Amino acid sequence: AQSVSQHNHHVILSEAASLELGCNYSYGGTVNLFWYVQYPGQHLQLLLKYFSGDPLVKGIKGFEAEFIKSKFSFNLRKPSVQWSDTAEYFCAVTVYGGSQGNLIFGKGTKLSVKP
Amino acid sequence: EPEVTQTPSHQVTQMGQEVILRCVPISNHLYFYWYRQILGQKVEFLVSFYNNEISEKSEIFDDQFSVERPDGSNFTLKIRSTKLEDSAMYFCASSEALPGGVLNTEAFFGQGTRLTVV
Repeated sequence: AQSVSQHNHHVILSEAASLELGCNYSYGGTVNLFWYVQYPGQHLQLLLKYFSGDPLVKGIKGFEAEFIKSKFSFNLRKPSVQWSDTAEYFCAVTVYGGSQGNLIFGKGTKLSVKP
Repeated sequence: EPEVTQTPSHQVTQMGQEVILRCVPISNHLYFYWYRQILGQKVEFLVSFYNNEISEKSEIFDDQFSVERPDGSNFTLKIRSTKLEDSAMYFCASSEALPGGVLNTEAFFGQGTRLTVV
C-alpha cells in the first residue's frame, strides 16, 4: 500500500533560519505530490503541488519543494522562515490514474518559529 | 474567496449515539471527500463522493458510516452508534475534478469538526 513518511514530528527554528521538511513516499508508479499547511485553528491549505514538468515547484509564501524521483522524495524548503510560518505541514500524494483522487497524507510536521 | 464550511466546529456525543457532521462544499465543485485525523496521527481518507454516489471508500469507512448529499448544497457524514475510537477531527473537502487528475485540480478543505465521544 502507498504511504507517506514525514521524518520530523516537531521542528523548532528561530526567525530567518532556513527550513527543510522531509517527505518520502512509497509507490513505484506515477504520483502527484502536495504540501498542505494548517495554521492554528484553520483549515488545511494547499502550499504547492507537483504534477509533472519542472521538479522544482514554487508555492505560496516563499515555499518551494523539489521532487526527486530517484529518492521518492518531495522535500519542502523555505530560505528564511517567519514567525507567521508557525503551523503544521502535511505532505500528501495521490496515485495518478489509480484511486479516485484520495489523498494519502503523512503524519505532519509541526513547525514552531521563535521570534 | 469561496471556501468549504463545516458545522459544528466541535461536537461532543455519548458513546452509542448517532452524529451527523455537516459540510457545505464549494458550489461548483463535483467531488466531495471526508477525511479524519485522530489526535497525533495522520490525516486519513474515509470516502469520496461523486454524482450522488460513493466513488471510493477506505477500510475505515465501515457500515457505521454513511454519506449523503440531501440537497444541492450540503454533504453530510453520519456515524451511527459512535465509539470512543471515533473521536477525531473530521475534515470535509471538495474539488472541481479529481485531485491530481487530468485537470490537475486541488482539493479544498474545511476547518474540520472535532468530534469527541465520551
